[in-house]
Amino acid sequence: EAGVAQSPRYKIIEKRQSVAFWCNPISGHATLYWYQQILGQGPKLLIQFQNNGVVDDSQLPKDRFSAERLKGVDSTLKIQPAKLEDSAVYLCASSLVTSTGELFFGEGSRLTVL
Amino acid sequence: KNEVEQSPQNLTAQEGEFITINCSYSVGISALHWLQQHPGGGIVSLFMLSSGKKKHGRLIATINIQEKHSSLHITASHPRDSAVYICAAGAADGLTFGKGTHLIIQP
Repeated sequence: EAGVAQSPRYKIIEKRQSVAFWCNPISGHATLYWYQQILGQGPKLLIQFQNNGVVDDSQLPKDRFSAERLKGVDSTLKIQPAKLEDSAVYLCASSLVTSTGELFFGEGSRLTVL
Repeated sequence: KNEVEQSPQNLTAQEGEFITINCSYSVGISALHWLQQHPGGGIVSLFMLSSGKKKHGRLIATINIQEKHSSLHITASHPRDSAVYICAAGAADGLTFGKGTHLIIQP
C-alpha cells in the first residue's frame, strides 16, 4: 500500500515569494490534515479536510495561507507571501476516520524562508 | 480545548535502560496516539489506543482513562530508539499534540 506522498521535500525561497506544497493521501482516506512543525515543537494543525470539505481551519493564517482539496483526494497548501517565521516542516497526514483513525504521515516538506 | 502535556521534555539514557515517557491530557478523548519522529524524518504512528495496553516488540503503551494519562515504555533501549516521541489526544474537536519528548540513547 502506498503511503502519503508529499512534494517538494525541500524548498528555499525569499520572503514575500510564494510557495505551494502538494499532498496525495493514502487511497480511500477521507480525512486529510496539514500540519506546521517549527523546529523543536510539536506539529500544529493548519487545516483538516473531510473529503473535500473543511472541518477545521481555525489556526490557518488566512491572510497568507490557503489550502484546497479538490475532488476529495489530493491537496495543495499555498503560502503567499511567505514570511521568515513560515520556515518549518509542513506535514500532511491522512486517516480513514477522524480522531479515532490511525494517522499516516508523509515525509514532510521543509521550507526555508530567507 | 484539550491540553496535552508530555514529560520529560528531554531524556538521555544508556543503552539497555527501561524508558518511560508520560502524557497527560485535560479533556476526555476518543483515542490517544503515540508517534515517533527521527531527526530529519517523517512521523510514524506507533500506537493508537483508547483503553488498556498495547505492545509491539520492545514498545508498550498504556492508558488510564480515569486519570487522563498515558505512558510509553521502551524496554532494553537501543541507540536506534533515539527520536522525538509525540503523543496526540483525539477528541471530537480533533487532535491535540504534545510538544514531544526528545530521547537520546547512548551506547
